[in-house]
Amino acid sequence: DTAVSQTPKYLVTQMGNDKSIKCEQNLGHDTMYWYKQDSKKFLKIMFSYNNKELIINETVPNRFSPKSPDKAHLNLHINSLELGDSAVYFCASSQSDNSPLHFGNGTRLTVT
Amino acid sequence: AQTVTQSQPEMSVQEAETVTLSCTYDTSESDYYLFWYKQPPSRQMILVIRQEAYKQQNATENRFSVNFQKAAKSFSLKISDSQLGDAAMYFCAYRSSGSGNTGKLIFGQGTTLQVKP
Repeated sequence: DTAVSQTPKYLVTQMGNDKSIKCEQNLGHDTMYWYKQDSKKFLKIMFSYNNKELIINETVPNRFSPKSPDKAHLNLHINSLELGDSAVYFCASSQSDNSPLHFGNGTRLTVT
Repeated sequence: AQTVTQSQPEMSVQEAETVTLSCTYDTSESDYYLFWYKQPPSRQMILVIRQEAYKQQNATENRFSVNFQKAAKSFSLKISDSQLGDAAMYFCAYRSSGSGNTGKLIFGQGTTLQVKP
């Protein structure tokens, strides 16, 4: 299936731990994104990469480090997790010609 | 900076009836895109409909249509013949166009739609 897939679907961890969320798209898109949806369901962009280059970094704490090994993958690594990091994290991709974003199914991160 | 506002946190509609979800936005740009996304309880973000600002004609997708008022900066979504499967949270979103477009979507706060049988 052509899609944006992210793993894991659920992630429960303790404060202070380091964790990663992986994202892969097989749509041939050249731009990938990470969005955060908070407890009030508000969605906000965190990062975007175009052809492995960082384009957007929306004042995200440097505990969050995206890594794009190739244009089909954009992983999110989070160091020293805090309670406030609990949220749903969405990966998305698009072609840079203004085509719509395609979203993954989200990763629900719970920090205890 | 652009902003998107959805003033209706919750709406409800009887099955088979029509409902309109409101969205307003603020921008100084003349060229941009507007979207409605649907998020059912499964959490998946599904594109419902898209409108290019340079097009005067309102976009339609089957039972979904928009009322795009560029001067008023209004972009409402009309769902006709509502079905139980339409129950979800709906997000209005804005995206800049043209050179320097980063593809970034700016979302409204969302409207939860309940469909009553």
